[in-house]
Amino acid sequence: DVKVTQSSRYLVKRTGEKVFLECVQDMDHENMFWYRQDPGLGLRLIYFSYDVKMKEKGDIPEGYSVSREKKERFSLILESASTNQTSMYLCASSTPVISNTGELFFGEGSRLTVL
Amino acid sequence: QKEVEQNSGPLSVPEGAIASLNCTYSDRGSQSFFWYRQYSGKSPELIMSIYSNGDKEDGRFTAQLNKASQYVSLLIRDSQPSDSATYLCAVQTSGSRLTFGEGTQLTVNP
Repeated sequence: DVKVTQSSRYLVKRTGEKVFLECVQDMDHENMFWYRQDPGLGLRLIYFSYDVKMKEKGDIPEGYSVSREKKERFSLILESASTNQTSMYLCASSTPVISNTGELFFGEGSRLTVL
Repeated sequence: QKEVEQNSGPLSVPEGAIASLNCTYSDRGSQSFFWYRQYSGKSPELIMSIYSNGDKEDGRFTAQLNKASQYVSLLIRDSQPSDSATYLCAVQTSGSRLTFGEGTQLTVNP
């Protein structure tokens, strides 16, 4: 059974803290993504990665960075958390574009609250 | 203009009715289109993909694509309470990158 695992389901952090969200997939997928989901705004792409050590900005990268040191792991970093980063964060993985069916495999999500 | 727009909803239909979900997109070069379903508190899951103009049927679900009008829709026939969820339209805008609409919340009333 394919699996994308996010390290924390619920986090509460204070403004200014550095936050790490971890994501691990066991499907040997090349592509990994970080989205945030907010009511009325849908899923918005923060960053994505096509390969180890490779990253591309999505639509809303400001205030975030990512790290992909190993193929199976993709981390999202909030350098200095702010209240407007309170959201649900979803990690996803997929096969490369050539054979892409459009299927993203999502993790369970990490709900982050910044106080 | 948003890249992918969906009718805002929420949409409520009686059990057994046809639910119609609509989506428009702005990038005329888009080639691949997808519908994801997201139950409350759960992650999205792919239910339909469509690449060519016309209809594509899978059980009670039919996806319709009109590239000239930049329009994609999802019809759910014989709607069931278990179909109650948020439906997300997604468009492959470049490479493996998907852009999602804001979602339409569907409620099927018994």
